[in-house]
Amino acid sequence: NAGVTQTPKFQVLKTGQSMTLQCAQDMNHEYMSWYRQDPGMGLRLIHYSVGAGITDQGEVPNGYNVSRSTTEDFPLRLLSAAPSQTSVYFCASSYSRGRKATTFGSGTRLTVV
Amino acid sequence: GENVEQHPSTLSVQEGDSAVIKCTYSDSASNYFPWYKQELGKRPQLIIDIRSNVGEKKDQRIAVTLNKTAKHFSLHITETQPEDSAVYFCAASILTGGGNKLTFGTGTQLKVEL
Repeated sequence: NAGVTQTPKFQVLKTGQSMTLQCAQDMNHEYMSWYRQDPGMGLRLIHYSVGAGITDQGEVPNGYNVSRSTTEDFPLRLLSAAPSQTSVYFCASSYSRGRKATTFGSGTRLTVV
Repeated sequence: GENVEQHPSTLSVQEGDSAVIKCTYSDSASNYFPWYKQELGKRPQLIIDIRSNVGEKKDQRIAVTLNKTAKHFSLHITETQPEDSAVYFCAASILTGGGNKLTFGTGTQLKVEL
């Protein structure tokens, strides 16, 4: 049971490049989400999904796309990277019913130059 | 939407003393309040959580209290140890059958000094 797995751990992009941050969980969690963490601002919700085929926007969705084709995977796509997207990105998952404890992945540190 | 404020932003205590971190939330419909600990370079990890039908919850040296009327909740750490040094985040959400959208506070850097 690996929990929530994120790849890559580190990435440097040039402005305008696109990339996909991968997230997979093996806990059969229905709910998955992406957060970004910036100094002094806590964690802010980018996008979330309540199940396969269903996604919705969080607090800071601009510049990011997501899809949820399977229960296990929830990739985050940066369409055209900007320096303002330099951040640490965390994927998280939880059950939709019963115990609501959220498990986080180990994070991806992204730098856009 | 929900807004969570957290204070203080930094907290320094002597080993063995108690530490208290306070959060307020804006949406009276919020009913789930977890606390996360994040060590440097690591992922946030849940240390304790409370639901709105409970006023207090304790787990060894950690306790959380909730005042629904005032819309604030607090984390209490007793007998602090150096390994308690980390950033602590409070969060609030409205639990629904569809998931758990957490709104986080901005974090408290706790330093436990020897």
